[in-house]
This record gives sequence, structure tokens and C-alpha cells, in this order.
Amino acid sequence: NAGVTQTPKFQVLKTGQSMTLQCAQDMNHNSMYWYRQDPGMGLRLIYYSASEGTTDKGEVPNGYNVSRLNKREFSLRLESAAPSQTSVYFCASSEDVSQPQHFGDGTRLSIL
Amino acid sequence: SQQGEEDPQALSIQEGENATMNCSYKTSINNLQWYRQNSGRGLVHLILIRSNEREKHSGRLRVTLDTSKKSSSLLITASRAADTASYFCATDANNAGNMLTFGGGTRLMVKP
Repeated sequence: NAGVTQTPKFQVLKTGQSMTLQCAQDMNHNSMYWYRQDPGMGLRLIYYSASEGTTDKGEVPNGYNVSRLNKREFSLRLESAAPSQTSVYFCASSEDVSQPQHFGDGTRLSIL
Repeated sequence: SQQGEEDPQALSIQEGENATMNCSYKTSINNLQWYRQNSGRGLVHLILIRSNEREKHSGRLRVTLDTSKKSSSLLITASRAADTASYFCATDANNAGNMLTFGGGTRLMVKP
């Protein structure tokens, strides 16, 4: 039982490049989330999907887009990467909103 | 903005001692959750306490909630070196659409 799987684990981009971070969960959860974590800080919500077919902005959505491809998969896209988007990105899922969340191990993204 | 703020930011104790971490928040909540994050890994859910509960236990963990003071504490008894991690509180605020808002975390080091 893999839980929440994120790919890739590491990535280096140049400013202006685009990239999609992938996330898949095998727990049949309805809700999925994308967070970013910067050094010494807690997590900040970028986008979330309360249920299949819906997506909503979180606290820091600028510069990002998401797609809830199906119930299992939720991707995060950076259209034109900027150095300020250097961070560790975490995907999470839960049965429903407000329920405990299960996290992947993160994607470490550096933008030069 | 961070709804929850942990205190202290860092804590170093000897194995066998108890560790207490505190979390304060600003607005009324539905529930408060505590998570652990080991270095380089995703967050792991520890315990959820609802706004109408005052105390919950799970193994060596004890969580209290004081809604009048808008604060919570996490007590880890008889700490072990394996408890070394960062601990985050996350609030499910009434005015946040059931989204979790994470604090900045407490970094706990348990020395063998």
C-alpha cells in the first residue's frame, strides 16, 4: 500500500521553464492538496481539490495551476518557473476536507 | 498568514524526559491536528482533537485543547531518540472552508 506517491523527488529548473509535479494516491480519498514548505516554516496551501472534478485556490496560488485528472491523481503545474518558487512541494490526500491528511515525501524543486 | 504558532521553536531534551510543545491560534476552530515530520520526509498525522474535546491520548502522546485561551499542547512522555522530528499543529478554522492552516513547527531533538 503506497499511500501518496509524488514524482519526481528532485528537480532543478531554469527560470522560465515549465514543469508538472505529479501526485497519486491509492486510498480512494476524495480530497487532495498541494502545499509548499519553505525553510523553517510550516506548510502553505497552494491549491486543493475537495472532490473529483473540483479545484480551489489556497493561500498562495499565484504562478501555479492544478488538474484533478481523476480521483487518484492531482497534478501541479508551474507554467513559467521563478526563483521564488524554489521550495519543497508536498501533496496530501484525505477522505474528506477537515479529515486527517496523508502526505507524500515531497518534491524538492530548485529554480536557478 | 499562520493561524497556529508553535512554542518553543526548538526543544532539546534527554531520552526519557517529557517534551511539551504549545500551539496558539487566532480564530475559532472546528478541530486542531498535530503532525510529525522527520527530516526529509512528509508529514505524518498524530492526533486530532475536536473543539468540544479538552484532552485526548494516543500511546505516549497527550493533547489538550483550551478554546477559551485558543491554545493546545502536545505532551510526549518518556521520549525516545526516534521522537526527534519537527512537530506541527494545524487548525481547521470555522472561516477557512475546512482547510488546514499549519504553524511554523517545533523542532524536537531527543538526545540518547
